[in-house]
This record gives sequence, C-alpha cells and structure tokens, in this order.
Amino acid sequence: QKEVEQNSGPLSVPEGAIASLNCTYSDRGSQSFFWYRQYSGKSPELIMSIYSNGDKEDGRFTAQLNKASQYVSLLIRDSQPSDSATYLCAVPQTGANNLFFGTGTRLTVIP
Amino acid sequence: DVKVTQSSRYLVKRTGEKVFLECVQDMDHENMFWYRQDPGLGLRLIYFSYDVKMKEKGDIPEGYSVSREKKERFSLILESASTNQTSMYLCASTPWGSEQFFGPGTRLTVL
Repeated sequence: QKEVEQNSGPLSVPEGAIASLNCTYSDRGSQSFFWYRQYSGKSPELIMSIYSNGDKEDGRFTAQLNKASQYVSLLIRDSQPSDSATYLCAVPQTGANNLFFGTGTRLTVIP
Repeated sequence: DVKVTQSSRYLVKRTGEKVFLECVQDMDHENMFWYRQDPGLGLRLIYFSYDVKMKEKGDIPEGYSVSREKKERFSLILESASTNQTSMYLCASTPWGSEQFFGPGTRLTVL
C-alpha cells in the first residue's frame, strides 16, 4: 500500500458546485496533513493544513480529517474555473521531515 | 512570506553535459529538498538535506548528486545528463516537521 493515495480523477464539476477530493494514508501515527494546489506548468502551493480530527474551513475550502479511518478530504464550495488545477495531498513521514505526496487529482471546473 | 527561488525556469542541455540546478531560500529553513515531477508519476524525491553539508538520498538518487555548502542554498547536479532526465525539477524547503514551500520549478530538456 502506498503511503498516500488519492482518487486519480480526473474530476469535472460545473461552476458553482461542490468539488470533493479525497486522500487516504497508511501511517496511523501521522499528525499533520497538507493540501497543495498545482496549476499546469507551475509549482505546488500550500492551500490548507489540518492537524486535528474534524473540519477546518478557510473561505471556500474545507479540509476534513478522520484519523480513525485514515482519510483526509478537501471540499471546494462554489467551485470556480480558477479552481481548475491538480490537488496534491501530503502527509509527513513519521519521525522525519519528508512529506509523502499523493499523485494528485486533476480538477476541472466547467463554466 | 517564504521565498524559494530557482536559478532557471527553463533549461535545455545536451546529452552528456554536466548540469547545475540551484535553489535558494530566504527563511533560514534547515531542510531542503529536490524533487522531479513527471506526468503520471507525481513528485519523486531525489535528495534532501537537513543541515549544511548533510545530504540524504531520496527515492531516485541515481544519476544525481547534491551540494549544500550554505544553509540557504541547495544545488542539484546532473553529472552527465541523459534524455531520461528531461523533467520538471522542484526545490522545496521547510523548518522542522512542517509543510514544504516550493520554488517555481525548472523545466529541463535534455536533447
């Protein structure tokens, strides 16, 4: 099992809809979780971090963490065409400073 | 804001050439990383460094070497470039146990 797995997509949603991106991880000891957004040809940029079970909201973005089930998700409300990008989930390697990255989910928001 | 810069956005080299990719961060981060990113393969860790003059192999170190003579600078060296090293190269930095911040990336083409 890979350390971090994402539904590879691609995912297409109409403008204004909710986009749901999911990620599962294998290390039960993981304590922090990150979502990155990567536009085509650009580098990843951090958009959300979450450390505790439950939801964390930042504008149109909500990260959800369930440590018992070992999954973390990202919801994008009122999706906009500018949200079209690849979203990467990342989890730190326990006891180290490396991050394990998922392969990413490509999201397209259709106007 | 954290700033990570990379020496070139685009680079074209010939097979057999020695290639230097440089990365500089301005936030006094201890840890620095080099990744390559290829379609369908996600981010793959080449090398990382957690202190000056320290280096650790990542998942795909073959054909690469690194140098970290100063805390803010981490160089990736392709000793003899080959066509299969054509890729997007991304540098990142982080303080201990936290999210990584990426540079803009260098798209390297080896002819």
